[in-house]
Amino acid sequence: AQSVTQPDIHITVSEGASLELRCNYSYGATPYLFWYVQSPGQGLQLLLKYFSGDTLVQGIKGFEAEFKRSQSSFNLRKPSVHWSDAAEYFCLMFSGGYNKLIFGAGTRLAVHP
Amino acid sequence: EAGVAQSPRYKIIEKRQSVAFWCNPISGHATLYWYQQILGQGPKLLIQFQNNGVVDDSQLPKDRFSAERLKGVDSTLKIQPAKLEDSAVYLCASSSSQGAEAFFGQGTRLTVV
Repeated sequence: AQSVTQPDIHITVSEGASLELRCNYSYGATPYLFWYVQSPGQGLQLLLKYFSGDTLVQGIKGFEAEFKRSQSSFNLRKPSVHWSDAAEYFCLMFSGGYNKLIFGAGTRLAVHP
Repeated sequence: EAGVAQSPRYKIIEKRQSVAFWCNPISGHATLYWYQQILGQGPKLLIQFQNNGVVDDSQLPKDRFSAERLKGVDSTLKIQPAKLEDSAVYLCASSSSQGAEAFFGQGTRLTVV
């Protein structure tokens, strides 16, 4: 079955520290992968996406993600976190064979000053 | 370009009442999604349209939920009768095609009392 797993429900980091949010997927082929951010009271905003090609993708707000087929992972990274990055982050997968856009459960990021 | 519009933003109803949510996708977007996001969980797909046809409604509780997308543009999601466990944020999203980036509305927060 197709699924997206975000193992970390909550993560707390200090401002200026590096960040890595984990995402693992289950799908028989190469999926389309996305990271979205949801700030309180705001809609979901696309950070970056992977369809094919270069496995390291750059996004907005200084985020990047790396697709690793061998690990079925698409982890989100940022070298230096800002207080405004505190939000909920969702990893999504589109499985073409099933035409499904599937969400992970989300990771809530808190940033300490 | 205008984003995905949803209304109302907030709704409070008593259990067993009916409620309807409206979504206006981005112009020209063929794919439209309705998601239910219960507090603390990732969004769950309720129904997916491709133009005015249903692609996936496997997780739609059809005994009380219904959705339509007349003329392949606007969509309405209805709950009749509502239950306490329907309290959630209902998200509408659209994309130009299946697998393309999805654009999300701000959601409708439903509280059933």
